[in-house]
Amino acid sequence: AQTVTQSQPEMSVQEAETVTLSCTYDTSESDYYLFWYKQPPSRQMILVIRQEAYKQQNATENRFSVNFQKAAKSFSLKISDSQLGDAAMYFCAYRSASTGNQFYFGTGTSLTVIP
Amino acid sequence: EAGVTQFPSHSVIEKGQTVTLRCDPISGHDNLYWYRRVMGKEIKFLLHFVKESKQDESGMPNNRFLAERTGGTYSTLKVQPAELEDSGVYFCASSHVRDRNEQYFGPGTRLTVT
Repeated sequence: AQTVTQSQPEMSVQEAETVTLSCTYDTSESDYYLFWYKQPPSRQMILVIRQEAYKQQNATENRFSVNFQKAAKSFSLKISDSQLGDAAMYFCAYRSASTGNQFYFGTGTSLTVIP
Repeated sequence: EAGVTQFPSHSVIEKGQTVTLRCDPISGHDNLYWYRRVMGKEIKFLLHFVKESKQDESGMPNNRFLAERTGGTYSTLKVQPAELEDSGVYFCASSHVRDRNEQYFGPGTRLTVT
């Protein structure tokens, strides 16, 4: 079974600075999708960014970008110019392109943004 | 467009009691998923509906959990009888049949079994 590991339970960043959240995964598949979800306190999870494994180019969404290293099975999220509204729990997730629809999630990283 | 809604937001019950969680997916989304996060651990898949049919229920922990989706609209997840280890946050998500990668999540139901 696929596993997703987030080794940083908590992270903090100064407002306007840059922070990188780590995620590694284990799979024997070659085609899959990777996601970062954000869950602000007491609110629902929303998709931040997603990456198709067959694409070599790293996905970018405004201040959010990923560093996708397929050989190393690493998928880190970089948040630039951090804002107070970025404070949330961040979950990394994996979905196979061929087997099933379920997402496999990591344990999450709680991000604090310091004013 | 309304998002995925879940009810209740929080439930506290005693061991041995029954609890029913409800999820209303986004209108038109045939795919509906249940996930659970036990404190400090990863979010784990429980099951997946396509309309009213169970497509994959490989993540259901045991037969104390029963999920239904009558009519292919809202879904319920019943826990009977509840045990202490059932405590956690139960998330529901839905997606359109055309984009299984775009799963929209509800805010979750926090279940506490005492």
